[in-house]
Amino acid sequence: DIVLTQSPALAVSLGQRATISCKTNQNVDYYGNSYMHWYQQKPGQQPKLLIYLASNLASGIPARFSGRGSGTDFTLTIDPVEADDTATYYCQQSRNLPNTFGAGTKLELK
Amino acid sequence: QVQLQQSGAELAKPGSSVKISCKASGYTFTSYDISWIKQTTGQGLEYIGYINTGSGGTYYNEKFKGKATLTVDKSSSTAFMQLSSLTPEDTAVYYCARRLQWWVDYWGQGVMVTVSS
Repeated sequence: DIVLTQSPALAVSLGQRATISCKTNQNVDYYGNSYMHWYQQKPGQQPKLLIYLASNLASGIPARFSGRGSGTDFTLTIDPVEADDTATYYCQQSRNLPNTFGAGTKLELK
Repeated sequence: QVQLQQSGAELAKPGSSVKISCKASGYTFTSYDISWIKQTTGQGLEYIGYINTGSGGTYYNEKFKGKATLTVDKSSSTAFMQLSSLTPEDTAVYYCARRLQWWVDYWGQGVMVTVSS
């Protein structure tokens, strides 16, 4: 199975930029696409899709969220951070089955 | 709007089975697969598998073969997951999610399954 590694936590001030990283132990690119996706989960809620195929913004997601990366290194950026962005962020790969998730990065405000 | 409504929390005894449901609305049910995902504090998010809602064909993560059984009822736009031979390690929140070809977009609200004697 592909392993995804995320930092456990990140603290950012309101209005600043948050950069969340996700590294994989295998390349998740295939025929021009990077099969990496990002989800936001707030306490007591289900995850919500933010970014698909590494850099595509999901429907209804504010442009403050963006994703980039390829191969084995990916980032989710939130700029500027708002109070409502405190949550845990998960990356997920779908290059191989079983799809696997990172352990999540908890975003907190300073 | 797309909605996935899951059944309520379950309290089950070790060795028993539970069957949880996921009722879809707001889209053509048979046009998308349904994925199932387990969430625990210790193991995080784990992909159980998915079911093709049109054909009933399934994929299971090796780890969940023999544990989870996925089915659908097209007439009611509902997907089901049965968990068998329950142990305390099966205590978790279980989500269904609509599967596009390469990612999931909409998630159900989750079902808490607690296994305890």
